[in-house]
Amino acid sequence: GAVVSQHPSRVICKSGTSVKIECRSLDFQATTMFWYRQFPKKSLMLMATSNEGSKATYEQGVEKDKFLINHASLTLSTLTVTSAHPEDSSFYICSARDGTRQSGELFFGEGSRLTVL
Amino acid sequence: GDSVTQMEGPVTLSEEAFLTINCTYTATGYPSLFWYVQYPGEGLQLLLKATKADDKGSNKGFEATYRKETTSFHLEKGSVQVSDSAVYFCALSESSNSGYALNFGKGTSLLVTP
Repeated sequence: GAVVSQHPSRVICKSGTSVKIECRSLDFQATTMFWYRQFPKKSLMLMATSNEGSKATYEQGVEKDKFLINHASLTLSTLTVTSAHPEDSSFYICSARDGTRQSGELFFGEGSRLTVL
Repeated sequence: GDSVTQMEGPVTLSEEAFLTINCTYTATGYPSLFWYVQYPGEGLQLLLKATKADDKGSNKGFEATYRKETTSFHLEKGSVQVSDSAVYFCALSESSNSGYALNFGKGTSLLVTP
């Protein structure tokens, strides 16, 4: 099946630093990828839609200057959490569809757990 | 906007018990419906899906039927196992087009005890 891979799986950083999370589609091309944030015991909140070669589309309430998204190729999207603060600590998950499949399912990365000290 | 509501957990069952996790949705069009499962420490995996009314999705003994008249997609399993302990998410997508994200319910945690 289609594989989406995230890196790093865990990252700990100091408050005020920036952290980059990579999301790769390993065996298919993804013109669109989605970034979700998962809070403890809560559902996944869609943060933004990452579009290859163009600007990301952010959901209401998500700071685009805080969460920088770059989708430079058909297989790679990156999320950079800038000037991270403890409240940014969370589980970030990316996902993508394989456009050659009719199923419509999203394939998810393993997630990246960010802890800001 | 489109949304999904699923029953609050946690749900605790004994092994071999019958499972139902309720899920209802609101949508303006004809969405595709999904159940995803997240095992402890892992990412989300598709469990089953249905793309039109009256479709039944099934996998690993789990079933869910797309009911347009009741806007529901309840997840059922006749006999749960300890290994089914996980968080289950109901989700919908307005389109299978790659540009459409999934809207998720809040998740239902299931714990199956021996």
